Amino acid sequence: GAGVSQSPRYKVTKRGQDVALRCDPISGHVSLYWYRQALGQGPEFLTYFNYEAQQDKSGLPNDRFSAERPEGSISTLTIQRTEQRDSAMYRCASSLVASRSSGANVLTFGAGSRLTVL
Amino acid sequence: QKEVEQNSGPLSVPEGAIASLNCTYSDRVSQSFFWYRQYSGKSPELIMSIYSNGDKEDGRFTAQLNKASQYVSLLIRDSQPSDSATYLCAVGGGQGGKLIFGQGTELSVKP
Repeated sequence: GAGVSQSPRYKVTKRGQDVALRCDPISGHVSLYWYRQALGQGPEFLTYFNYEAQQDKSGLPNDRFSAERPEGSISTLTIQRTEQRDSAMYRCASSLVASRSSGANVLTFGAGSRLTVL
Repeated sequence: QKEVEQNSGPLSVPEGAIASLNCTYSDRVSQSFFWYRQYSGKSPELIMSIYSNGDKEDGRFTAQLNKASQYVSLLIRDSQPSDSATYLCAVGGGQGGKLIFGQGTELSVKP
């Protein structure tokens, strides 16, 4: 696609429910990143993929959070048993080249998915 | 110690002045450095990248990198009200390969 597409744009859920956030990167982009951004703060790293391989998941807050990118394109971030503290903007970004390659880390962000847990 | 640190601001400058934004980072093996601009309610957008020590100029923007001091800065010349936004410093290419952002500096350019 022309840009990074995220869905849903807004998600309101009740505490304890599972949510899945989807990211469709720019066509041909190798790396895909997930960030979480609280109001007034910078994006907080969660995890990233090169192709379908999850390279680093050190930023995932706990085992309720998981991500996958099974075919090296679309990615899903899943939050199980949501809690109010999970409420935030979740941002996906993609990069043309693999992380740690020359020219890596030049990210294009999607519009984000705003999650509200009641 | 945070991996990437910025003054949160707000930084207020008059129109036409030079705005100076600063950032320090902790990972000495970092290789790539970026400045993103984020307007209120919008996504971050890349405005500058720098990989080598020294200055890099692009229009009204100049990025400066000093790896020995682990310091990167952004200068905006002839600041305009449309430059009012939050500026995010991001550092990548270290041992983890991931891109880490600072908390951002809010810039306000007054007409």
